[in-house]
Amino acid sequence: AQSVTQLDSQVPVFEEAPVELRCNYSSSVSVYLFWYVQYPNQGLQLLLKYLSGSTLVESINGFEAEFNKSQTSFHLRKPSVHISDTAEYFCAVSDSSGGGFKTIFGAGTRLFVKA
Amino acid sequence: DTEVTQTPKHLVMGMTNKKSLKCEQHMGHRAMYWYKQKAKKPPELMFVYSYEKLSINESVPSRFSPECPNSSLLNLHLHALQPEDSALYLCASSQDGPTREQYFGPGTRLTVT
Repeated sequence: AQSVTQLDSQVPVFEEAPVELRCNYSSSVSVYLFWYVQYPNQGLQLLLKYLSGSTLVESINGFEAEFNKSQTSFHLRKPSVHISDTAEYFCAVSDSSGGGFKTIFGAGTRLFVKA
Repeated sequence: DTEVTQTPKHLVMGMTNKKSLKCEQHMGHRAMYWYKQKAKKPPELMFVYSYEKLSINESVPSRFSPECPNSSLLNLHLHALQPEDSALYLCASSQDGPTREQYFGPGTRLTVT
């Protein structure tokens, strides 16, 4: 069975500092990994995804995540955060079991960027 | 158009009321989802429709009744809800394929009094 662990429930960081949000997963089959972001009072938006190929994936707004199969991790990083990055970030995993429709979300990490 | 729309944005209902939540997408996606999200928690999957057929029901109480009238629309009919059903209800859609990247609507904030 799949599971996702986000190791930090909250991450406070100053503006322009680097940040890493940690995510570990478990699955018995090949997985697809996602990071979603949720701004206050909004739905979730896809930030980036790993399906196959290059283990480093990037988003258009400066975030990147690296798939590490040996450590079963998919940590999210940004070299310099902005106030507008304050949001809830969810790591998620899906695989081909159960028809492939089930996406399991981690508990979420609240990134709080301070001025 | 990469948008999933949901109506209403907010809904307050009594425990004896009947109401419906609506969701629409025009991306040609053939899978549509209902999630329930409590405050400070991740979304919990409730139902999945694939090609307008119910594919997954995560043991949701029968007071929640989903309906998929066509490939663009998804409804969630509500009846005799409990106060603990108060939550943000999110609709999502995805292409049919191995990636299952989901596009979410903004949600309906439901309060049961």
